[in-house]
Amino acid sequence: KQEVTQIPAALSVPEGENLVLNCSFTDSAIYNLQWFRQDPGKGLTSLLLIQSSQREQTSGRLNASLDKSSGRSTLYIAASQPGDSATYLCAVEPVNDYKLSFGAGTTVTVRA
Amino acid sequence: DGGITQSPKYLFRKEGQNVTLSCEQNLNHDAMYWYRQDPGQGLRLIYYSQIVNDFQKGDIAEGYSVSREKKESFPLTVTSAQKNPTAFYLCATQDSAYSPLHFGNGTRLTVT
Repeated sequence: KQEVTQIPAALSVPEGENLVLNCSFTDSAIYNLQWFRQDPGKGLTSLLLIQSSQREQTSGRLNASLDKSSGRSTLYIAASQPGDSATYLCAVEPVNDYKLSFGAGTTVTVRA
Repeated sequence: DGGITQSPKYLFRKEGQNVTLSCEQNLNHDAMYWYRQDPGQGLRLIYYSQIVNDFQKGDIAEGYSVSREKKESFPLTVTSAQKNPTAFYLCATQDSAYSPLHFGNGTRLTVT
């Protein structure tokens, strides 16, 4: 059974610092990995989707890398801002199955 | 305005009562999902449907039921058989296999 882990569960950084968020998974037979953002009391918003054949994906200040063989993905957020404060979740989609497995998320606070 | 509408935002019920959560989408997506989110845990899949009039159990289907009579609608009923129903419920859609998930803003259910 796929296990997805996000460590740390929470972190706090001063504004302007780069953020590094980690996601690890136990089964490398994945089709893609997705990163989501969740604001308090809201649904999830898709940030980036990396196909298993890709090494990284970029969108603005966000960059996500994927190392399928070691079961790891990292989300980098450059020059953090208070508006980046949220919970970030990763999820892996297996080959030949619709069921995504989600991590519990990392809650980020960016201090002004 | 395309999107996913979940209603109500907050729901309060007494133990022993069934309750139905609404999820409507106008994205014309084939696949729809129901997830449950509890504090400190990843999202857990309750039910999913890839086409009208067909749905499958997820990892925690016991005590829940769904229907998919229309492409746009995927209501979830939380029955009295669900032992711990208090949680945040999220509905999601997907355009095609392996594409990003889109989420509604959730329904917070409290059962006392």
